[in-house]
Amino acid sequence: NAGVTQTPKFQVLKTGQSMTLQCAQDMNHNSMYWYRQDPGMGLRLIYYSASEGTTDKGEVPNGYNVSRLNKREFSLRLESAAPSQTSVYFCASGWTVQETQYFGPGTRLLVL
Amino acid sequence: DQQVKQNSPSLSVQEGRISILNCDYTNSMFDYFLWYKKYPAEGPTFLISISSIKDKNEDGRFTVFLNKSAKHLSLHIVPSQPGDSAVYFCAASEQEYNNNDMRFGAGTRLTVKP
Repeated sequence: NAGVTQTPKFQVLKTGQSMTLQCAQDMNHNSMYWYRQDPGMGLRLIYYSASEGTTDKGEVPNGYNVSRLNKREFSLRLESAAPSQTSVYFCASGWTVQETQYFGPGTRLLVL
Repeated sequence: DQQVKQNSPSLSVQEGRISILNCDYTNSMFDYFLWYKKYPAEGPTFLISISSIKDKNEDGRFTVFLNKSAKHLSLHIVPSQPGDSAVYFCAASEQEYNNNDMRFGAGTRLTVKP
């Protein structure tokens, strides 16, 4: 039982490049989330998926797109990376939006 | 505008003593509060929570206190152990427990010295 897994662990991009961050959970959770954490700031919600087939914007969605591929997987895409998107990205999942969420180990992204 | 603030980036305490981590918030609509704990290279894990209808919640060595009038909550760890060394985040939401609108503080790094 791996919980929430994220790939890659670390990535360096050049400005304008695109990439997809992958997240998978094996706990049969319905809801999944993407957060970013910047120095001196708390986690901020980018997008979430309350259930398979639905996605909604969080606090800071600009510059990102998401796909809830199936119940297990929730990906985050940066179409044209910017230095302001340098951050640590965390994926999380939970049974519902009103229950405890479980976080993955994070992806550290550096955009030059 | 950060609605949840942890003004102490770091805290160091001796093993066996009490650790007190503080958190202030500005949004009077928050009614559910949580603490998360994060070790290096891992994601945050849920530690303890409190609803606004209470002023204290205890779970083993961990106690969270809520002072609604002061918009302040604190996490007490007694006694502190070296394994408690981690970053602690407080978080708050408006709608009972709701992950969609949760706001997090920037975290306090606790170091417990043997």
